[in-house]
Amino acid sequence: GGIITQTPKFLIGQEGQKLTLKCQQNFNHDTMYWYRQDSGKGLRLIYYSITENDLQKGDLSEGYDASREKKSSFSLTVTSAQKNEMAVFLCASSTWGGANEQYFGPGTRLTVL
Amino acid sequence: GQQVQQSPASLVLQEGENAELQCNFSTSLNSMQWFYQRPGGSLVSLFYNPSGTKQSGRLTSTTVIKERRSSLHISSSQTTDSGTYLCAMGYQGGRALIFGTGTTVSVSP
Repeated sequence: GGIITQTPKFLIGQEGQKLTLKCQQNFNHDTMYWYRQDSGKGLRLIYYSITENDLQKGDLSEGYDASREKKSSFSLTVTSAQKNEMAVFLCASSTWGGANEQYFGPGTRLTVL
Repeated sequence: GQQVQQSPASLVLQEGENAELQCNFSTSLNSMQWFYQRPGGSLVSLFYNPSGTKQSGRLTSTTVIKERRSSLHISSSQTTDSGTYLCAMGYQGGRALIFGTGTTVSVSP
């Protein structure tokens, strides 16, 4: 078995601030994902990465940057936090290929004041 | 684009009742997962079920690829089953999951 850890668990920022969320996995999975969860809207894909140094945009990539410098880690940056923004950011990983089971981390809850 | 329709949006049950949650997909799928989430909690994978039927305790998942649908059956519901159930599909050529908006289940004693 393996585990996905996300830091921080809670993130409070100011409008316009640049904020970084981190994700680590020890499954040795090739593919990692960042999803955003808003109340009542399910999860939407922000970025994913199929291998180290690879980045692929999802439907919600505007306003975000991502970085995959190591196979085990995937970072997400909110480039300019929006006032009153509140969402949960979930990191996931899977073996190579979209048909494989995805495993999720516990999430980072973002609040922008 | 690919869509996932999940129903019902919410469900209120008396403890001991059964329930059936549905997901319908707009395109052919090649993977399918059901997740459970408590308010403020993390996403717990219940089933990875691309086709056929799988059972775990009181939960049963059935995916029928030809009909582009999947269901989650809860039998003899308990108060601890309360929470949100999410389905998600993977599709041919895609890598990420497409999620439904969830079914919120509330089980009262």
